[in-house]
Amino acid sequence: AQSVTQPDIHITVSEGASLELRCNYSYGATPYLFWYVQSPGQGLQLLLKYFSGDTLVQGIKGFEAEFKRSQSSFNLRKPSVHWSDAAEYFCALYFGNEKLTFGTGTRLTIIP
Amino acid sequence: DSGVTQTPKHLITATGQRVTLRCSPRSGDLSVYWYQQSLDQGLQFLIQYYNGEERAKGNILERFSAQQFPDLHSELNLSSLELGDSALYFCASSVGEENTIYFGEGSWLTVV
Repeated sequence: AQSVTQPDIHITVSEGASLELRCNYSYGATPYLFWYVQSPGQGLQLLLKYFSGDTLVQGIKGFEAEFKRSQSSFNLRKPSVHWSDAAEYFCALYFGNEKLTFGTGTRLTIIP
Repeated sequence: DSGVTQTPKHLITATGQRVTLRCSPRSGDLSVYWYQQSLDQGLQFLIQYYNGEERAKGNILERFSAQQFPDLHSELNLSSLELGDSALYFCASSVGEENTIYFGEGSWLTVV
């Protein structure tokens, strides 16, 4: 069965600092991978997705993610965070007939 | 704005009652998905419809049911409500069954 692990429940970074949120998956083949963001009281917004091809994908709001098959990872990065990036971030995957499976989320706090 | 519209945004009801949550997918999307987000369970897939037909079931209780109508909007019916049903219910849609899934802003259900 497919699964997604986000090992960090909560991360705090200073405004302007770089960010990396970790995501590891378990699946026999390469799944479709996604990062979603949920701001307080808001819905889930798609940041970026990986289906195939270039392993470094660019998303909205200055985010990027790198797919590493050897590490079964799809980490989300941003070179310089803004206070408005404070939110909950979810990694998700699906493949074939499986349904979109989410990780438990990482809550990002930004300090001035 | 993802283009997925959910109503109502907030709902407070008593235990034992029945409620209906409504979802309008993005224009052109044939698949509709329902997810439940709660503090203890995280994001859980409930059910998927494709062009009016049920395609997949996840962790959906027997007290819950859904349908997708000919105009492709969907409704999630929750009956005999319990306190533990309090959650954020998301609707999402996609063009097909293996495409990017876009989420609405959710319907907050509080059972008192």
